Amino acid sequence: DAMVIQNPRYQVTQFGKPVTLSCSQTLNHNVMYWYQQKSSQAPKLLFHYYDKDFNNEADTPDNFQSRRPNTSFCFLDIRSPGLGDAAMYLCATSRDLPKLAEPHNEQFFGPGTRLTVL
Amino acid sequence: TQLLEQSPQFLSIQEGENLTVYCNSSSVFSSLQWYRQEPGEGPVLLVTVVTGGEVKKLKRLTFQFGDARKDSSLHITAAQPGDTGLYLCAGAWYNQGGKLIFGQGTELSVKP
Repeated sequence: DAMVIQNPRYQVTQFGKPVTLSCSQTLNHNVMYWYQQKSSQAPKLLFHYYDKDFNNEADTPDNFQSRRPNTSFCFLDIRSPGLGDAAMYLCATSRDLPKLAEPHNEQFFGPGTRLTVL
Repeated sequence: TQLLEQSPQFLSIQEGENLTVYCNSSSVFSSLQWYRQEPGEGPVLLVTVVTGGEVKKLKRLTFQFGDARKDSSLHITAAQPGDTGLYLCAGAWYNQGGKLIFGQGTELSVKP
């Protein structure tokens, strides 16, 4: 089955210790997104890749970086995690970006990685 | 700032009851999606609506997009415990990249 896979499902790191979360997709979608979701809140978009084109949200801290080495994989790097970065991190994909003729923006989410910062 | 107001935020009902969740905005959306999320999992797409006035049905779930494409509702008939979860609406615009604006979510608990 085509899907969005995230590894690991649970990640524990220490304050200030760099951590990398990974996402892979078998949907062959052009767009990959990273969201941060804190408890009982809606997901918050950090950035997205349209093919190799990186798009950062204005309020995403510099502490968060991303890499997309190929169509299938995308990584979220947190350079110096703080206690406030503890959250669920969700990866999502969409076939393309919405256009006037095709305005829908169906995004398919992975199961998420729960990050704990000690 | 474009906002999507979702209500109610919490809903606890008995099995067999009906319920409606609302999403409202002052902005017009190109499309609107509804997701359901279970604890510890990612959101799962339920439906996408793109046409003003559109109504879509998914078994006991009925989704409606407002005529002006500024609001949407989700109605569940005869709720079951398996419907328990976080329901999220998310709006998008064709001219703002892939950005989705999420509502605050509705935590639904259906008791047997």
